[in-house]
Amino acid sequence: AQSVAQPEDQVNVAEGNPLTVKCTYSVSGNPYLFWYVQYPNRGLQFLLKYITGDNLVKGSYGFEAEFNKSQTSFHLKKPSALVSDSALYFCAVRDSPRGYQKVTFGTGTKLQVIP
Amino acid sequence: NAGVTQTPKFQVLKTGQSMTLQCAQDMNHEYMSWYRQDPGMGLRLIHYSVGAGITDQGEVPNGYNVSRSTTEDFPLRLLSAAPSQTSVYFCASSSGTSRGGTGELFFGEGSRLTVL
Repeated sequence: AQSVAQPEDQVNVAEGNPLTVKCTYSVSGNPYLFWYVQYPNRGLQFLLKYITGDNLVKGSYGFEAEFNKSQTSFHLKKPSALVSDSALYFCAVRDSPRGYQKVTFGTGTKLQVIP
Repeated sequence: NAGVTQTPKFQVLKTGQSMTLQCAQDMNHEYMSWYRQDPGMGLRLIHYSVGAGITDQGEVPNGYNVSRSTTEDFPLRLLSAAPSQTSVYFCASSSGTSRGGTGELFFGEGSRLTVL
């Protein structure tokens, strides 16, 4: 069975500092990894994905994520945090990009950017 | 572009009542799904559909029914509401990679349900 772990319930970072939100995964085959962001009282929005290719993936709003197969991690990063980045972030995994395999989500990490 | 539309946004039910959460998408996506979001538990898959007439159970299907008579609509029915079904429900859709989609999910804005 596939699974995702987000070890931090909350991450606090000062505005302008780099941020990292951690994610580790477990799948039986090749992982296909996603990050989503949720603002208060809103649905989830897609940020970025890793399917294959370069281990560093760039996405929306200046976010990027690094895929590390040996550590089974897919950490979300941003060089300089904005107050507007404060939100709930979810990592998700599926074990194939084809068809409609089920997507498994982590429990979410609340990012608080302090002015 | 409407995307994924969910109704109602808020609903209060009494234990034992039934209701239907509506979900519609206008992106011609084959895949549609329902998740519930509870504090500390992330999103859990209730039911999903890979096309009209085809549905399957997810992680937490008990107490819920779905049907998929058209590509656009995927309603979620609560048969006899229980307080444990108090949650925020999200409908999501995606385009399969066989049709050039890249697999990410598009979410509705959510339906907040309280069962007393």
